[in-house]
Amino acid sequence: GIQVEQSPPDLILQEGANSTLRCNFSDSVNNLQWFHQNPWGQLINLFYIPSGTKQNGRLSATTVATERYSLLYISSSQTTDSGVYFCAVGPFYNQGGKLIFGQGTELSVKP
Amino acid sequence: DTEVTQTPKHLVMGMTNKKSLKCEQHMGHRAMYWYKQKAKKPPELMFVYSYEKLSINESVPSRFSPECPNSSLLNLHLHALQPEDSALYLCASSPLAGVGNEQFFGPGTRLTVL
Repeated sequence: GIQVEQSPPDLILQEGANSTLRCNFSDSVNNLQWFHQNPWGQLINLFYIPSGTKQNGRLSATTVATERYSLLYISSSQTTDSGVYFCAVGPFYNQGGKLIFGQGTELSVKP
Repeated sequence: DTEVTQTPKHLVMGMTNKKSLKCEQHMGHRAMYWYKQKAKKPPELMFVYSYEKLSINESVPSRFSPECPNSSLLNLHLHALQPEDSALYLCASSPLAGVGNEQFFGPGTRLTVL
């Protein structure tokens, strides 16, 4: 099955710093989502981005589907950005809505 | 309104108990999902319902029994669970099941099996 790898696994930042999180996937996909999981477990939708570039405030994302990777950029990080960031993909061969998650990047932003 | 609600927030049950988890959405979505998430791990798909019919079962043990009584409601019935079933259970929905459909997640039910 499709493999989803996220890097780095852990990241510690000082407040105000910028960061880039990466998601590599091993096969073609028809869906790609980025989530932020807060300390209470809620998965918050950041981007639905199977291809192209999107921006939302301090966050932006780029997916290059032909090269099988996606990047999440966080600028001017805040302590509330702490948590786990997941990339999840829908395999192209499975049209049924299945999402496969990467292992996540755990971000800690220090004041 | 992109909201999926789940009840209860927390559940503690013994191995002989029967309990149910409930998930509700009022976004008019026709696909609903159950995921299981163990501590420090990513969510893993359990079931997919499309138009109130079970379309994907990821080889989940029969002690987990899903039910979709209508397009807004999804239940997960639990019976004779094991301590290793303790996890965060997440419900999600999307307009349809498949290409081009963003999934939205509920806050989860944190289950502890004693």
